[in-house]
Amino acid sequence: QSALTQPASVSGSPGQSITISCTGASSDVGVYNLVSWYQQHPGKAPKLMIYDVSKRPSGVSNRFSGSKSGDTASLTISGLQAEDEADYYCSAYRSSTTLVFGGGTKLTVL
Amino acid sequence: QVQLQESGPGLVKPSQTLSLTCTVSGGSIRSGDYFWSWIRQPPGKGLEWIAYIHYSGSTYYTPSLKSRVTISIDTSKNQLSLELSSVTAADTAVYYCARVAKAEDYFYYYFMDVWGTGTTVTVSS
Repeated sequence: QSALTQPASVSGSPGQSITISCTGASSDVGVYNLVSWYQQHPGKAPKLMIYDVSKRPSGVSNRFSGSKSGDTASLTISGLQAEDEADYYCSAYRSSTTLVFGGGTKLTVL
Repeated sequence: QVQLQESGPGLVKPSQTLSLTCTVSGGSIRSGDYFWSWIRQPPGKGLEWIAYIHYSGSTYYTPSLKSRVTISIDTSKNQLSLELSSVTAADTAVYYCARVAKAEDYFYYYFMDVWGTGTTVTVSS
């Protein structure tokens, strides 16, 4: 099954805001508000940052926010910090009770 | 606080079966509020969802691996297991287990809120 589409890389300077897109289809992102985002630092396990499109788990900074329009979900990080440099993955529920990840986006803080 | 820990052989020969275990501590795998999942990540690549299971027996698999994968739960040991048959070099990856939670407003389990640290499996002769 095809993965969700994310840009390979994004970058920004400290203090700036960046947005990572995640494009799916009418069988996943477009039809369900069931999108999550994960942060992964090198050599570490992924960490949940956003679920249900825009909800933050306890302990996740409010600098991280999520949204969705049509078949595309987005993760926005405001007030970029050096510690935000990591890989980010979106994931969504897909029809027939399957889950799918995006290809991942490498965030570089300049 | 729930913690997950994967274990298994780090090296598997081609055509053999890969077997991994995930031990859940700090909580019960019998909790009806969660599914339990396996995800893998080939070297330098992205995450791939493999399968998930509820302690009641409901199981779901990614279509591309369904014919080779078996996911199971041992409630007496509080463990989750994965078997992947007929492995090739393409199955070399870090394998993660994770707890899968339910959306707040819908009856769908889909996001991974707790992850294990991962275990590296290399397929090579």
